[in-house]
Amino acid sequence: KQEVTQIPAALSVPEGENLVLNCSFTDSAIYNLQWFRQDPGKGLTSLLLIQSSQREQTSGRLNASLDKSSGRSTLYIAASQPGDSATYLCAVPTPKAAGNKLTFGGGTRVLVKP
Amino acid sequence: DAGVIQSPRHEVTEMGQEVTLRCKPISGHDYLFWYRQTMMRGLELLIYFNNNVPIDDSGMPEDRFSAKMPNASFSTLKIQPSEPRDSAVYFCASSLAGEQYFGPGTRLTVT
Repeated sequence: KQEVTQIPAALSVPEGENLVLNCSFTDSAIYNLQWFRQDPGKGLTSLLLIQSSQREQTSGRLNASLDKSSGRSTLYIAASQPGDSATYLCAVPTPKAAGNKLTFGGGTRVLVKP
Repeated sequence: DAGVIQSPRHEVTEMGQEVTLRCKPISGHDYLFWYRQTMMRGLELLIYFNNNVPIDDSGMPEDRFSAKMPNASFSTLKIQPSEPRDSAVYFCASSLAGEQYFGPGTRLTVT
């Protein structure tokens, strides 16, 4: 059974610092990995989808890396801003399947102080 | 596209009442998912559909929960009878080619 872990559970940084969020998963036979952002009281917003064949994916100040063999992904957010404060979740689909049944990590709650 | 649409956004009901949550997926998406989120258990997948057909309902907690997808643009999640422990935020999501898009959720409170 796939298990997804995110450490730390919470993170507080001053504005301008780079953020590093970690995600680990137990079964490396994944098709892709997805990072989401969730604001309080809101739904999840997809940030990045990184395919198993990719080592990294970039969107603006966000960069996600994937190391399947070690079961890890890292989300980097450069030059953090107060608006980046949110909970960030990673999720992987059922091993050897695509487009279905995501298993989520517990999330990392980020606070960027102005 | 307006994204995934859910209604109602908030629902407060008394224990024992029937609750129906509704979802309209993004047009053209072939997968639809129902999730539940609580502080204690995080995000849990309840059931998902592919091309309107239920594929995996192993996450549905009890027979009190049921879900239908009568067509490609509409799905319902029903709880009958509702209990206080069903209080949570229920999300619907849809996907095409793997990337899932979530609706804003329905916050359900059962008193």
